[in-house]
Amino acid sequence: DTAVSQTPKYLVTQMGNDKSIKCEQNLGHDTMYWYKQDSKKFLKIMFSYNNKELIINETVPNRFSPKSPDKAHLNLHINSLELGDSAVYFCASSPRTGATEAFFGQGTRLTVV
Amino acid sequence: ILNVEQSPQSLHVQEGDSTNFTCSFPSSNFYALHWYRWETAKSPEALFVMTLNGDEKKKGRISATLNTKEGYSYLYIKGSQPEDSATYLCAPPQGGATNKLIFGTGTLLAVQP
Repeated sequence: DTAVSQTPKYLVTQMGNDKSIKCEQNLGHDTMYWYKQDSKKFLKIMFSYNNKELIINETVPNRFSPKSPDKAHLNLHINSLELGDSAVYFCASSPRTGATEAFFGQGTRLTVV
Repeated sequence: ILNVEQSPQSLHVQEGDSTNFTCSFPSSNFYALHWYRWETAKSPEALFVMTLNGDEKKKGRISATLNTKEGYSYLYIKGSQPEDSATYLCAPPQGGATNKLIFGTGTLLAVQP
């Protein structure tokens, strides 16, 4: 039973489209995150929610909007997709904020053509 | 933004060799240090979360030490096996309790049978 699951695993779309990536965790965690693996393979944090409240909002274009309908879900919606948005996006969760380990989903490879 | 450095960037060892890598981070305002293991085509997996100066943690053949005063952590693998081949990432959280992990570039370990 997958702890942190993302859908879809692969997403190919055209420039200008709007797309969403969904994330669900069944671990009962309070905190969820979105990370982007950039072209240099760095993992960079984008957003974090704790109990459905936004607590981390990094400098990302406002075309990226996270939504947390409940604490088990954190979806990422991207408007007006650009070529440079192509990357692997990872969702993660942790029991709470503070020094707790994060559990990662399998990643979503987004390709914008 | 925290400056996190890991060395070496990559390491090739023979099965049975023991090895170690280094993670350097700013020692001021230290909160915690995470170590993750990331196999190709999989998602990062937490190894350790360390918080106290002088901490030493162990999981099987993998262990880690922490020096918060000088800002470094060592990860050791005893008797490397091919299944240990992965990228090992360290991440101190920036901003303390928000758990906003700042990942280093990682050390890529390849263990040859």
